[in-house]
Amino acid sequence: DAKTTQPPSMDCAEGRAANLPCNHSTISGNEYVYWYRQIHSQGPQYIIHGLKNNETNEMASLIITEDRKSSTLILPHATLRDTAVYYCIVRVEGTSYGKLTFGQGTILTVHP
Amino acid sequence: SAVISQKPSRDICQRGTSLTIQCQVDSQVTMMFWYRQQPGQSLTLIATANQGSEATYESGFVIDKFPISRPNLTFSTLTVSNMSPEDSSIYLCSVWTGGTNQPQHFGDGTRLSIL
Repeated sequence: DAKTTQPPSMDCAEGRAANLPCNHSTISGNEYVYWYRQIHSQGPQYIIHGLKNNETNEMASLIITEDRKSSTLILPHATLRDTAVYYCIVRVEGTSYGKLTFGQGTILTVHP
Repeated sequence: SAVISQKPSRDICQRGTSLTIQCQVDSQVTMMFWYRQQPGQSLTLIATANQGSEATYESGFVIDKFPISRPNLTFSTLTVSNMSPEDSSIYLCSVWTGGTNQPQHFGDGTRLSIL
């Protein structure tokens, strides 16, 4: 699976959009981009994933560049409860071996 | 998504002892995994728990230290054997229900401290 690079930390004001970048310049054509987050003392929570097209669900939006070498997770209206470590992961979809390789992630702190 | 329960949620153990962690899912799942998260670190996959056969271990993890069972499609155990302070970590179970575009889901983990 391709390696990802994320900034170690980011800050965001409550109510504003949080834009978390991820670089995955070695991504292969069949690798998906997944985002998880881990709130303190909890297990990782799945947020969203995508292959080429931009995706949106009730939690967030995922914007993938046309060359697929980078992506941005957008939390449209950040709240204090969005403070967490956010992990960007790339992996091949549909394989029977579902290993997820976690990097260090981005610590997002949402301020009042 | 599947509801994953881990027991115990936390424990404090003496060095040299062993502890078995249970992972129960409320529905049948295709694959179950065990991860370790050392203090201040990210998650590392220990092994894939295979139903009815031996687990598949990642590099750096061995069966004698981390024996795993998976007797059915909803339950798995991880044993941390002959514990030392270096084994103090959070141990997490995750599941994949199978099918296209289905993500892995995680339990809340077992926080283990070794004295």
